[in-house]
Amino acid sequence: QKEVEQDPGPLSVPEGAIVSLNCTYSNSAFQYFMWYRQYSRKGPELLMYTYSSGNKEDGRFTAQVDKSSKYISLFIRDSQPSDSATYLCAALWNTGNQFYFGTGTSLTVIP
Amino acid sequence: GAVVSQHPSWVICKSGTSVKIECRSLDFQATTMFWYRQFPKQSLMLMATSNEGSKATYEQGVEKDKFLINHASLTLSTLTVTSAHPEDSSFYICSALRGGYGYTFGSGTRLTVV
Repeated sequence: QKEVEQDPGPLSVPEGAIVSLNCTYSNSAFQYFMWYRQYSRKGPELLMYTYSSGNKEDGRFTAQVDKSSKYISLFIRDSQPSDSATYLCAALWNTGNQFYFGTGTSLTVIP
Repeated sequence: GAVVSQHPSWVICKSGTSVKIECRSLDFQATTMFWYRQFPKQSLMLMATSNEGSKATYEQGVEKDKFLINHASLTLSTLTVTSAHPEDSSFYICSALRGGYGYTFGSGTRLTVV
């Protein structure tokens, strides 16, 4: 079993839709959770960085962590064509340690 | 912010030659940097952890003699792919950790070995 599981998609939505991206993880010791966005042929770009359970909001993006169910979510409101990218979730025990990525979900927002 | 610069962004080399990829933290010091490899439509796979002033820690299955890592200063880590072969063609990405900013990634290097 992988440490972090993510549905690879692809996911296609119309512009303006609410997008829900999800990951599950197996290690209850994970404390830090991140979402990265990666455009084609580019390195990943950090979107959200959360510690432990709870929600964190930044503009149109909301990250949610439910440690009881080991579930990580990223919601994108009012999705835009520029949001089309691969979204990677990641988790780690503590800063400075190795962290584990999901395989990424490919998202296309259709104008 | 926390900016990591990676160079070159794209390189083609002949089989059997060596290629060096640089990763620099521009506005912070990074005692630890990480090197990843990514194949098309797959997630990043950690290759090694680069520690300033000491030997790198390689993940299982990664050849130390083929992927040479040097972390000579607090702002620079290099990855040298020695005697490159076509199967080494991939996207290589470095990252560094800065307190309060999490992990920041370089823009990646696409290596093509012909």
